[in-house]
Amino acid sequence: DAEITQSPRHKITETGRQVTLACHQTWNHNNMFWYRQDLGHGLRLIHYSYGVHDTNKGEVSDGYSVSRSNTEDLPLTLESAASSQTSVYFCASSDRWDQPQHFGDGTRLSIL
Amino acid sequence: GNSVTQMEGPVTLSEEAFLTINCTYTATGYPSLFWYVQYPGEGLQLLLKATKADDKGSNKGFEATYRKETTSFHLEKGSVQVSDSAVYFCALSAGGRRALTFGSGTRLQVQP
Repeated sequence: DAEITQSPRHKITETGRQVTLACHQTWNHNNMFWYRQDLGHGLRLIHYSYGVHDTNKGEVSDGYSVSRSNTEDLPLTLESAASSQTSVYFCASSDRWDQPQHFGDGTRLSIL
Repeated sequence: GNSVTQMEGPVTLSEEAFLTINCTYTATGYPSLFWYVQYPGEGLQLLLKATKADDKGSNKGFEATYRKETTSFHLEKGSVQVSDSAVYFCALSAGGRRALTFGSGTRLQVQP
């Protein structure tokens, strides 16, 4: 069965460190997304990609970057981690704009 | 821009009670509408969807009707179970934009 996997599931790091969260999907979807989930805010879009070598900023992109070198992977990098980036991060993929997205199980990131 | 507003939680019900979670939206064009459910420690799963006005999405006893005239997509279930306890998110995609816009989520607690 096709799936979308995130790693690690939990991570604790210190402020100022670079952190990379992995996302891998086997749906062969062109569209991939990163969201963060915070209490009271639902999910907010960080970055997204519509295909290989395409990346776009979402509404809360400051301090984050992504790269898309193949269809399956969209890693999210925090260049210099800040405590405000403590959150649960979800990766998702989809086929078309009007079709549902498939979500990973999330990465809980704590920045001390 | 696009936005989704859903009722504040938590919503606490007794088993077999009737459930309504309100969701209203603003969007450009004709959005596709979704309800996602998140169980503790998991990612989001699609519960149901509707892609045009007057469509009714349904799944696992849950229903929601796409009401263009009231820009609403309220979630209903006739008889909730303890296993329905989760966080429910209303979301939309619109204008060819493939990323989802989410409401803030509503936590449902069902007591035996």
